[in-house]
Amino acid sequence: QVQLQESGPGLVKPSETLSLTCTVSGGSISSYYWSWIRQPPGKGLEWIGYIYYSGSTNYNPSLKSRVTISVDTSKNQFSLKLSSVTAADTAVYYCAQDISAAGLVGWGQGTLVTVSS
Amino acid sequence: DIQMTQSPSSLSASVGDRVTITCRASQSISSYLNWYQQKPGKAPKLLIYAASSLQSGVPSRFSGSGSGTDFTLTISSLQPEDFATYYCQQSYSAGTFGPGTKVDIK
Repeated sequence: QVQLQESGPGLVKPSETLSLTCTVSGGSISSYYWSWIRQPPGKGLEWIGYIYYSGSTNYNPSLKSRVTISVDTSKNQFSLKLSSVTAADTAVYYCAQDISAAGLVGWGQGTLVTVSS
Repeated sequence: DIQMTQSPSSLSASVGDRVTITCRASQSISSYLNWYQQKPGKAPKLLIYAASSLQSGVPSRFSGSGSGTDFTLTISSLQPEDFATYYCQQSYSAGTFGPGTKVDIK
């Protein structure tokens, strides 16, 4: 099973862009789908979107206007950008391997991103 | 957009109890339904995929059933390590999660 690790700033200012990277090890990113999920403190899970290794994407409609997910197969990484952030975007952000109809089988440990000035 | 609901939102149970959690989709999702377990401070763990398929390494006391709009997760005999929050997720269109069901000790 692959391992996933999120990385990026833990603090982002309001109105700026949140940027995170997920590094995949122990396997190739050139198969399956790769997802981002977030969880505000004390709340439930929210699916953000996924990318297929070929580059096709699907986003949560409620976030679609602010989200971009990209993939770099040469680095075995995929990334999340969320623009115009507010305090409501404060959350633990997880990356995960998405086997489509077989669920999110592998998860990163999560990284807390706080939006504050 | 497909909306997911879960009931109950929380429950108290004892070790050895049979526990059932229900998940409902706002429209038919066939069998595109997954269940996850999450413990505090940890990433979620996949338990059941495609409504009733047990993920490798997950104890057989966990089972899932249902299709269309109504689904069930059952823990046949609750163990101490099963006290956690459980989420359903549809993978039919995008990946909406249910709001979660917290299982704690009675």
